[in-house]
Amino acid sequence: GNSVTQMEGPVTLSEEAFLTINCTYTATGYPSLFWYVQYPGEGLQLLLKATKADDKGSNKGFEATYRKETTSFHLEKGSVQVSDSAVYFCALMGSNFGNEKLTFGTGTRLTIIP
Amino acid sequence: DTAVSQTPKYLVTQMGNDKSIKCEQNLGHDTMYWYKQDSKKFLKIMFSYNNKELIINETVPNRFSPKSPDKAHLNLHINSLELGDSAVYFCASSLRRREETQYFGPGTRLLVL
Repeated sequence: GNSVTQMEGPVTLSEEAFLTINCTYTATGYPSLFWYVQYPGEGLQLLLKATKADDKGSNKGFEATYRKETTSFHLEKGSVQVSDSAVYFCALMGSNFGNEKLTFGTGTRLTIIP
Repeated sequence: DTAVSQTPKYLVTQMGNDKSIKCEQNLGHDTMYWYKQDSKKFLKIMFSYNNKELIINETVPNRFSPKSPDKAHLNLHINSLELGDSAVYFCASSLRRREETQYFGPGTRLLVL
């Protein structure tokens, strides 16, 4: 079955540091890949997505590139802010009909200190 | 206007009780979902409905019964609550099945004592 593995947290960085959160996946076919973010006390929000190999998703300064050869979708940001503190979830949706659910990684809690 | 809303926001109850959580979306979406997030933040889908039809039913105890009276509402009823049911339950919706972007509600924090 499909699965997503992302780096364990928590991750603590200073403001303006470079961020990488690793994500790798296992899936048959050509899944779509996502990063969702959960701010404290809120539901999840889509941060970015990529639907085919070599696509780059980007939003709010965050980027992730769909790498089929390494089955990865690492999240990066060049300069983090305190407001980026949240839990980040990598997820995939299978490409097969009937396999249309989102499978999430375990989440990575990110804390940015001023 | 809130796009996906859930009630109640918090629910504290005793083991063995029956409780319901309600979800409504005003986005005009066809597909709705229930997710369970445990204490370690692990998020797993439970059910999905498309136009009131059940399309995803993961391995969930049959104490959990979803009901969709119309495509804007998806409620979750839980019978005989157990300690292990304590979690945050999220409702979500998407424009159609296999639509990649899902919109999540704020969650219902359930604590079973």
